[in-house]
Amino acid sequence: AQSVTQLGSHVSVSEGALVLLRCNYSSSVPPYLFWYVQYPNQGLQLLLKYTSAATLVKGINGFEAEFKKSETSFHLTKPSAHMSDAAEYFCAVTLRGSARQLTFGSGTQLTVLP
Amino acid sequence: NAGVMQNPRHLVRRRGQEARLRCSPMKGHSHVYWYRQLPEEGLKFMVYLQKENIIDESGMPKERFSAEFPKEGPSILRIQQVVRGDSAAYFCASSPRLETQYFGPGTRLLVL
Repeated sequence: AQSVTQLGSHVSVSEGALVLLRCNYSSSVPPYLFWYVQYPNQGLQLLLKYTSAATLVKGINGFEAEFKKSETSFHLTKPSAHMSDAAEYFCAVTLRGSARQLTFGSGTQLTVLP
Repeated sequence: NAGVMQNPRHLVRRRGQEARLRCSPMKGHSHVYWYRQLPEEGLKFMVYLQKENIIDESGMPKERFSAEFPKEGPSILRIQQVVRGDSAAYFCASSPRLETQYFGPGTRLLVL
């Protein structure tokens, strides 16, 4: 079984500041990890994914995440927040090899202050 | 290549009616997944299908809910005798193989 914990249901940053959204996972076997973004009343858009290649993964819109096995973490970062980054962000895990259902965290709402 | 299509985008039903949600996967994708998002919550897995087969329905409620993915046409999530607790956003995702899932815009179901 696998699970995901996203610390902080709401995060506020100033425009231009560092964005750090936390995700810790639990998995009995090596996982695949994903970050998705959801804008209001829209579906989920894939930001980036970790599938056992490089541990530092770069995604769209300047986001990146680092897989740290020792810390069971996959935190999402962006050096400089933009107003358009305001959205809800979901971390998700699935089991490598079976890769069926995604298990999602409860989400983090990011607010960007002017 | 069009993305995952879902219709309707919004659906209003009265208690006791049936709701049918449709999902057309991306071209070339043979794996379809349905998720439900309750207000203020993350997405919860419901069912995983391939063409004409239900592979994993461990997240589906035992009663009133069913899903299919026929040889021709879209995948259908059917909810019979809807209740107010069924009000949620229902998302479909598709993938070409057992890896990245691409999501549709969702169907927002409101039960009056």
